[in-house]
Amino acid sequence: AQSVTQLGSHVSVSEGALVLLRCNYSSSVPPYLFWYVQYPNQGLQLLLKYTSAATLVKGINGFEAEFKKSETSFHLTKPSAHMSDAAEYFCAVNFGNEKLTFGTGTRLTIIP
Amino acid sequence: EPEVTQTPSHQVTQMGQEVILRCVPISNHLYFYWYRQILGQKVEFLVSFYNNEISEKSEIFDDQFSVERPDGSNFTLKIRSTKLEDSAMYFCASSEWDLAGSSYNEQFFGPGTRLTVL
Repeated sequence: AQSVTQLGSHVSVSEGALVLLRCNYSSSVPPYLFWYVQYPNQGLQLLLKYTSAATLVKGINGFEAEFKKSETSFHLTKPSAHMSDAAEYFCAVNFGNEKLTFGTGTRLTIIP
Repeated sequence: EPEVTQTPSHQVTQMGQEVILRCVPISNHLYFYWYRQILGQKVEFLVSFYNNEISEKSEIFDDQFSVERPDGSNFTLKIRSTKLEDSAMYFCASSEWDLAGSSYNEQFFGPGTRLTVL
């Protein structure tokens, strides 16, 4: 079955520390992969996307993600967390049809 | 920068009442979508719409739901007889092309409408 899993519903990191948000997928076809961010009371904003080009994808706000086919993963990282990064982050996958399938989300808290 | 807009931002209704959630997609986009997010749960696909007809829908999108593009700019989601479990944030999205096409095109999301059914 096709699915997407985000490990850790809540992640807390200190300001300036590495951010690592995990996303794994299960699919029989090569997927398109995305990370979206949702700030309080706002919509979903695309951070970055993987669409079968370079496996290391750079997005906005200093975030990047690496597609690892062997691990079926697309983890999101940022070298140095900023207070403004506090938000909900969603991994989403397109399995070749029209819809996006979202993970359950990870709430990122930044500790001053 | 073009953006998807949604109205109202918050809708409160009584169980059994009809509601219409409204969206204005980005003007040159051709594909339109509705998703919902029940509080504390993940975002779920409801329906996609292209060329004035539904192109894909989920099992959530049953007979009480309908979508319409009544004019050249609006895209609406109607829930005929709301239930308590319809309480959720509803997101509209639009894209230039469908995701199953030859190249991926980003889905742009609106800010959402929070629907509360009492």
